[in-house]
Amino acid sequence: EVQLVESGGGLVQPGGSLRLSCATSGFTFSSYDMHWVRQAPGKGLEYVSAISSNGGSTYYAKSVKGRFTISRDNSKNTLYLQMGSLRAEDMAVYYCARDDWDHWGQGTLVTVSS
Amino acid sequence: QSVPTQPPSASGTPGQRVTISCSGSSSNIGSNTVNWYQQLPGTAPKLLIYSNNQRPSGVPDRFSGSKSGTSASLAISGLQSEDEADYYCAAWDDSLNGWVFGGGTKLTVL
Repeated sequence: EVQLVESGGGLVQPGGSLRLSCATSGFTFSSYDMHWVRQAPGKGLEYVSAISSNGGSTYYAKSVKGRFTISRDNSKNTLYLQMGSLRAEDMAVYYCARDDWDHWGQGTLVTVSS
Repeated sequence: QSVPTQPPSASGTPGQRVTISCSGSSSNIGSNTVNWYQQLPGTAPKLLIYSNNQRPSGVPDRFSGSKSGTSASLAISGLQSEDEADYYCAAWDDSLNGWVFGGGTKLTVL
């Protein structure tokens, strides 16, 4: 069974940093591009970042470029999102998703507040 | 480029047929296929339609998708109470080199 499990969310002060993880199982992780999508409270879905299967290519939404870094460890079947210089508007549930978009994690909540 | 636009809300009664529109631009829907997602309250999005009109296994054939030019539509026939959810369209955008999501449509079953 394909599983994606996010972790690492929590409360962080404005300007702070946080690293999200997405642990995967049940499929050949190294064969798939992976994505991060976020959803602010009561709002719609926003595409955040993506990484190619071998990690050689990445994409960032304009809203996070220069502050967030996506990475992956294919030996650990895990996707990461390093978030820095966090702002109030980064507060959201962050989902990881496999490139076929048919498998998503349950999400992890990031709260940015002083 | 234009981020896909969806009506914020839609409604229907049980058994009725409802359609949700998604209007994009030449750089996204006009050039690429469209996915649709269903998000029940408090849960992660679920892929409902991919490649404009294909259903993943397990998705009832009451759900169907179509695309014409720079617009796409999701149709739900035989509306059921459990269809009450938020629905999002999405497509790859050639200008952004990334995916774009529509703003979402909240479907209410009256």
